[in-house]
Amino acid sequence: NAGVTQTPKFQVLKTGQSMTLQCAQDMNHEYMSWYRQDPGMGLRLIHYSVGAGITDQGEVPNGYNVSRSTTEDFPLRLLSAAPSQTSVYFCASSPQVTDTQYFGPGTRLTVL
Amino acid sequence: SQQGEEDPQALSIQEGENATMNCSYKTSINNLQWYRQNSGRGLVHLILIRSNEREKHSGRLRVTLDTSKKSSSLLITASRAADTASYFCATEAGGSYIPTFGRGTSLIVHP
Repeated sequence: NAGVTQTPKFQVLKTGQSMTLQCAQDMNHEYMSWYRQDPGMGLRLIHYSVGAGITDQGEVPNGYNVSRSTTEDFPLRLLSAAPSQTSVYFCASSPQVTDTQYFGPGTRLTVL
Repeated sequence: SQQGEEDPQALSIQEGENATMNCSYKTSINNLQWYRQNSGRGLVHLILIRSNEREKHSGRLRVTLDTSKKSSSLLITASRAADTASYFCATEAGGSYIPTFGRGTSLIVHP
């Protein structure tokens, strides 16, 4: 199993550009989530999904959209990138919401 | 807001010493999890402890949970330089089942 994969590993955007961060898992996990990690702030939950077709907002959802059309994929879209979205983004999955989460390697995003 | 908060923020010890870090949370939980993050990497799960458990062990790791004090501790015995990492606790946010993370404890183990 590849586990949780994220692409790209690094990305530089200009203010106002849009892009999609990809996340996929091959473990048939129902729960998937996106976090951002900033220095001194720990991990903050952006959006999560408890199953295909179901998504909900986390602590810091503004400026981000998600969809969950399949169990495997959970892309994160930045609608109009802002410098405040410069961060490291982690995707995670678990069999159910209360189970151990498996994390991807992260995407380091810089918005100029 | 983050449900769990780790303490101390940073810890520096010598190889062979024990390292203890704590996690305090605000509302009742069903379980609490500890994760480790090596620099630049994703988080790796260490231990899950349920609300009806008081202590769990995994190798050199010992986790305790005191629901009356709303706190948990992670003890790493006989630490090694390879234990250098950030350690996070994850708890459910405000009564929901959705896990949220604290800011973490940065542990440095000097060889």
